Amino acid sequence: DIQMTQSPSFLSASVGDRVTINCKASQNINKYLNWYQQKLGEAPKRLIYNTNNLQTGIPSRFSGSGSGTDYTLTISSLQPEDFATYFCLQHNSFPFTFGSGTKLEIK
Amino acid sequence: QIQLVQSGPELKKPGESVKISCKASGYTFTNYGMYWVKQAPGQGLQYMGWINTETGKPTYADDFKGRFVFFLETSASTAYLQINNLKNEDMATYFCARAPYFDYWGQGVMVTVSS
Repeated sequence: DIQMTQSPSFLSASVGDRVTINCKASQNINKYLNWYQQKLGEAPKRLIYNTNNLQTGIPSRFSGSGSGTDYTLTISSLQPEDFATYFCLQHNSFPFTFGSGTKLEIK
Repeated sequence: QIQLVQSGPELKKPGESVKISCKASGYTFTNYGMYWVKQAPGQGLQYMGWINTETGKPTYADDFKGRFVFFLETSASTAYLQINNLKNEDMATYFCARAPYFDYWGQGVMVTVSS
């Protein structure tokens, strides 16, 4: 199975900050990497698909990059509604695997 | 708009069974498969497998072969996850998500297993 190592696990930041979250795969996942935002009791929301494609309706302050084994989600200027948990998903090969999540908190 | 709406929380005893539903709307149900994902308390997400909504054929990840059953009620655009012989380690939130893109997810169903 492909292991997804996500970092950091916790991130404390302020409104307006630029933040980055990373996912490292144990092998090449050919850019088949999605990013999600999860809030308590809600359905996870897809932000980015296949590394760098912005989901329709998601603000442009969210962006993704990467290749091979290393991938990054960037939020360019944090807004109050962005404080949530974020996770990555590799869908290059079965079984699909997830990062362990990053909880983004208000500083 | 596309929605996956799951059933409510469940409280079960060890050894019992639970059936979780995932009702799809806003698209043609049989054009997209359905994934199931487990999120145990304080742990990450785990892929359980998927069901082909056109044929009804389920495919289970290795950790979910045996007690876990995926099935459909196509006329109601609903996918189901049934867990038989519940164990403490089944206590988790279970999500459905649209295949093949994981683009839309249900809100999750919390299953509590307690004697």
